[in-house]
Amino acid sequence: GENVEQHPSTLSVQEGDSAVIKCTYSDSASNYFPWYKQELGKRPQLIIDIRSNVGEKKDQRIAVTLNKTAKHFSLHITETQPEDSAVYFCAARGPSQGNLIFGKGTKLSVKP
Amino acid sequence: GAVVSQHPSRVICKSGTSVKIECRSLDFQATTMFWYRQFPKQSLMLMATSNEGSKATYEQGVEKDKFLINHASLTLSTLTVTSAHPEDSSFYICSAPIQGNTEAFFGQGTRLTVV
Repeated sequence: GENVEQHPSTLSVQEGDSAVIKCTYSDSASNYFPWYKQELGKRPQLIIDIRSNVGEKKDQRIAVTLNKTAKHFSLHITETQPEDSAVYFCAARGPSQGNLIFGKGTKLSVKP
Repeated sequence: GAVVSQHPSRVICKSGTSVKIECRSLDFQATTMFWYRQFPKQSLMLMATSNEGSKATYEQGVEKDKFLINHASLTLSTLTVTSAHPEDSSFYICSAPIQGNTEAFFGQGTRLTVV
């Protein structure tokens, strides 16, 4: 089955700097890759997603890139703010599956 | 947008008792519901998949007799933790896909504490 690896597990940046989180997946048939932000005790919130027919997608300060050949995708947050501090999860889903396979998460801390 | 309503949000129960968690799809029909468990500082791990009108499928290592799943209608799926133990204390969250929509819709989650 699908396996998703996520790095780093923790990331600390200064306010205004950029943050990059990377994920790799194992199933070349996976075609949907969302990123979630989760605050303590709350449900994951979708912040951006990308499908396998696109190499890059951007939404204001957030961007996701996908390299299908290498089977990895990355989340880029620019001009980080303290409110960006949270745990971020990447996930992958194949065409025949309905469930998402999640990475282990990255705890992002943005220091003012 | 689509909403999945999950209750209760928090529950404390004694060891040996059972707890039922409900997830309802409010404005769409959920033929499938995914149940995840999240231990502190860990990721979401799929426990089981419920399908309306058929038996749930469980992931390896998840006891089907302990975690009873019922998907009685197209808008309701329940997870019952039977004979709860302190090690069952966790954050349980459901998620429903919508046909033709790639996004997964999550319930609010249930924080279960077994004392």
